[in-house]
Amino acid sequence: EVQLVESGGGLVKPGGSLRLSCAGSGFTFSNAWMNWVRQAPGKGLEWVGRIKSDSDGGTRDYAAPVKGRFTISRDDSRNTVYLQMNSLRTEDTAVYYCTHTIFGHPYWGQGTLVIVS
Amino acid sequence: DIQMTQSPSSLSASVGDRVTITCRASQRISNYLNWYQQKLGKAPNLLIYTASTLEGGVPSRFSGSGSGTDFTLTISSLQPEDFATYYCQQSYSTPLTFGGGTKVEIK
Repeated sequence: EVQLVESGGGLVKPGGSLRLSCAGSGFTFSNAWMNWVRQAPGKGLEWVGRIKSDSDGGTRDYAAPVKGRFTISRDDSRNTVYLQMNSLRTEDTAVYYCTHTIFGHPYWGQGTLVIVS
Repeated sequence: DIQMTQSPSSLSASVGDRVTITCRASQRISNYLNWYQQKLGKAPNLLIYTASTLEGGVPSRFSGSGSGTDFTLTISSLQPEDFATYYCQQSYSTPLTFGGGTKVEIK
């Protein structure tokens, strides 16, 4: 069974930093392209960024609002992807989800809440 | 970026009604289209993937259709537990993009 479990959310002051983790199981993590998606309170869903597998170059792409402030990395030995968030702003307050798609089927974690205040 | 236009943004319906939600992509995305249901305070729950494949455990009153740029989510007979917000999402290319959501309310 595919599982994604996010952790690391919390309350942080504007300008601060936070690192989120997403642990995956039930699939070959090292081959996985992993995405982060967020949802601000009362708003829709917004893609944050993606990291490809190392075998596909490990390329990282980011949404414009977070580019230069957020960094996605991975540790395949731990089956974990990270979202390092720096220079946080109040508008980054959201639930952050990691997602992965296998043969067209998307899988999502339950999310972790980040509050910037 | 591929824009996803979802309509309507909200609707009021009665239990037993047939409900249709549409999603239009700004360019062709083949069948790389997913539908989610979200209830307050919960993570999005996958209903349909690859445009028409019903996720396991999802009631058969939910169905999806379409290919290319135009897609539809249909609830054949609305049930009390279906009152929620629904989102479409394209997974054809990065950035992944989502429709603005359709809030289904009780009439």
